[in-house]
Amino acid sequence: DAGVIQSPRHEVTEMGQEVTLRCKPISGHDYLFWYRQTMMRGLELLIYFNNNVPIDDSGMPEDRFSAKMPNASFSTLKIQPSEPRDSAVYFCASRAGGTYNEQFFGPGTRLTVL
Amino acid sequence: EDKVVQSPLSLVVHEGDTVTLNCSYEVTNFRSLLWYKQEKKAPTFLFMLTSSGIEKKSGRLSSILDKKELFSILNITATQTGDSAVYLCAETYSNYQLIWGAGTKLIIKP
Repeated sequence: DAGVIQSPRHEVTEMGQEVTLRCKPISGHDYLFWYRQTMMRGLELLIYFNNNVPIDDSGMPEDRFSAKMPNASFSTLKIQPSEPRDSAVYFCASRAGGTYNEQFFGPGTRLTVL
Repeated sequence: EDKVVQSPLSLVVHEGDTVTLNCSYEVTNFRSLLWYKQEKKAPTFLFMLTSSGIEKKSGRLSSILDKKELFSILNITATQTGDSAVYLCAETYSNYQLIWGAGTKLIIKP
C-alpha cells in the first residue's frame, strides 16, 4: 500500500503565478481532505470530498483557491493567482467510509510564494 | 462552534521522564477523538477513542477519554528522544470532519 501520494513535495513560485497541487488517495478510500498548515494557524481544513463530490468548501480562503476530484484516484488544489500569504504546507488526507476510521495523511507539499 | 484545546503548548523533559498531554473539547455531535504524532512531516495516527474510560495502549503510549468531563489525555512513559514531536488531538464531529487542536510540542532532552 503506497499510502497517500502528493506532488510536488516542494514548490517555489512567484507571486501571481498559478500553482497546482496533486493528490492520489489510498485506493478504496471514500473521503479526501485538503488541509493547510502554518505556524500561526495550525492545521486548517480547506475542503473535503466524499465519493469525488465536494461536500464542504467553507474552509477555502477565497476565490483564488479551487479544488477538483475528477475521479476516485486523483484530486487537485489550484491557487490562481498565488500570493506570499499562501505559503504553507498543504496536506492531502484520505479515509475509508464508516464512522470509526482515521485519516491518513500524505507527505505534504511545501509551498513558498515569493 | 466546536473547539479543541490542548495543553501545554510546549513541554521540555529529560529522557526517561513520563509526560501527560491534555486535550479538552467542546462538542455538539461528538463521535470520536483522535491523537496524531507529527514530526517533521505529515501527522501519523496514534489512537482513536470513542468510549469513555477505556484505555488505548501502544507500547509506552496510552490514552484515555472522559466523555463526561470532555477531555482526553495522552501518556508517554520512559520517554526517548524519538518521542520529540508535536502531538495533535482532533475531534470527529458530524460529516466526518476533524476539528484540530493547536498541538503540544514535546521536546525530549538526552
